[in-house]
Amino acid sequence: GESVGLHLPTLSVQEGDNSIINCAYSNSASDYFIWYKQESGKGPQFIIDIRSNMDKRQGQRVTVLLNKTVKHLSLQIAATQPGDSAVYFCAENIGYNKLIFGAGTRLAVHP
Amino acid sequence: GAGVSQSPSNKVTEKGKDVELRCDPISGHTALYWYRQRLGQGLEFLIYFQGNSAPDKSGLPSDRFSAERTGESVSTLTIQRTQQEDSAVYLCASSLDLVNTEAFFGQGTRLTVV
Repeated sequence: GESVGLHLPTLSVQEGDNSIINCAYSNSASDYFIWYKQESGKGPQFIIDIRSNMDKRQGQRVTVLLNKTVKHLSLQIAATQPGDSAVYFCAENIGYNKLIFGAGTRLAVHP
Repeated sequence: GAGVSQSPSNKVTEKGKDVELRCDPISGHTALYWYRQRLGQGLEFLIYFQGNSAPDKSGLPSDRFSAERTGESVSTLTIQRTQQEDSAVYLCASSLDLVNTEAFFGQGTRLTVV
């Protein structure tokens, strides 16, 4: 079936470094992707989204890159901070906000 | 309210019992979704509601699962004859509509079936 998956289950970075979280997707027909951040005990929080007619989108300290050729999505966090420690999910909106989520990547930021 | 509210936050139930989980979406949001999150895993789509349209129930894992929504307000997810594999966090989300796709999630209900 269709799925969205992540390459790395955990990522450890030093505070101040840049973080890159990767995601592979398999539904080539999907045209909308979202990154969510989930802190312990909380629901996922929207970070940034991108539509398939774009290759790159930037937010505050975050950038999402979309490579449709290889069906790859990445989230870049600049100057990673301790507050960025969380589990990050990529999700694919296959229509009517029906989101398919990957397993998630845990980001651990060390001082 | 200010955000999506779910209750209870934690629920422990005995195998075979029925449970009912509640979700209060953000006021004015017409779309409401339920997801299940098993430990260490991603979110599994269960069902969504949009206004008065027929809900998309395609993600419900069995006929023991059902959900209702009254108009554009509260929703309840009911699990009958609970099994241990039903143990998970059940997350509710709402969005303004199905076009404005930013979904806001509640904090979830952690269900433990013993």
